[in-house]
Amino acid sequence: DQQVKQNSPSLSVQEGRISILNCDYTNSMFDYFLWYKKYPAEGPTFLISISSIKDKNEDGRFTVFLNKSAKHLSLHIVPSQPGDSAVYFCAASVSPFGNEKLTFGTGTRLTIIP
Amino acid sequence: DSGVTQTPKHLITATGQRVTLRCSPRSGDLSVYWYQQSLDQGLQFLIQYYNGEERAKGNILERFSAQQFPDLHSELNLSSLELGDSALYFCASSGTENTGELFFGEGSRLTVL
Repeated sequence: DQQVKQNSPSLSVQEGRISILNCDYTNSMFDYFLWYKKYPAEGPTFLISISSIKDKNEDGRFTVFLNKSAKHLSLHIVPSQPGDSAVYFCAASVSPFGNEKLTFGTGTRLTIIP
Repeated sequence: DSGVTQTPKHLITATGQRVTLRCSPRSGDLSVYWYQQSLDQGLQFLIQYYNGEERAKGNILERFSAQQFPDLHSELNLSSLELGDSALYFCASSGTENTGELFFGEGSRLTVL
């Protein structure tokens, strides 16, 4: 049972435009959500997170939105840059600390077209 | 560079064999996590150790075991290997800051033939 779902395996976006990556979850006990970014031949790196008590968190070009009633979160990247081309994983945790037993989605490969 | 070191980077072995993957966490990090990423799958949580003690367990097979040593490095032992065990195995560590951020190594790619 996939508790965290990223239904779009891939996404292509023009440079300078907005990239929107989506993630759905089924477990209502999830308390903390994170996005990780992965380049080929590297491990995932943390990008941004959000606690379930918030509905938005922003860090530079990256904004994560959380809709608890819909069990949906999204990552917005604006403006998109070629270096943003990577695989993005959504992850969730039942721990308020967010670093225990993360449940990951299957990832979305984002390609930024120059 | 995340500061987490995993060895070996690549490993090819045969079914039925046993392998050991090694992980050195970031300096000062007490928690070590192991994740498995099979083809086209998300990262599956296997197990977490905190300062030498098992802290949490995920979908880790009985053929797999792990431990964290006094110097905080960790090893993941995979035995009686099957074709389906072929995957990327990631180690991650985290510090005492409760930010939710894990620092991942580059992974060990295991191929079972």
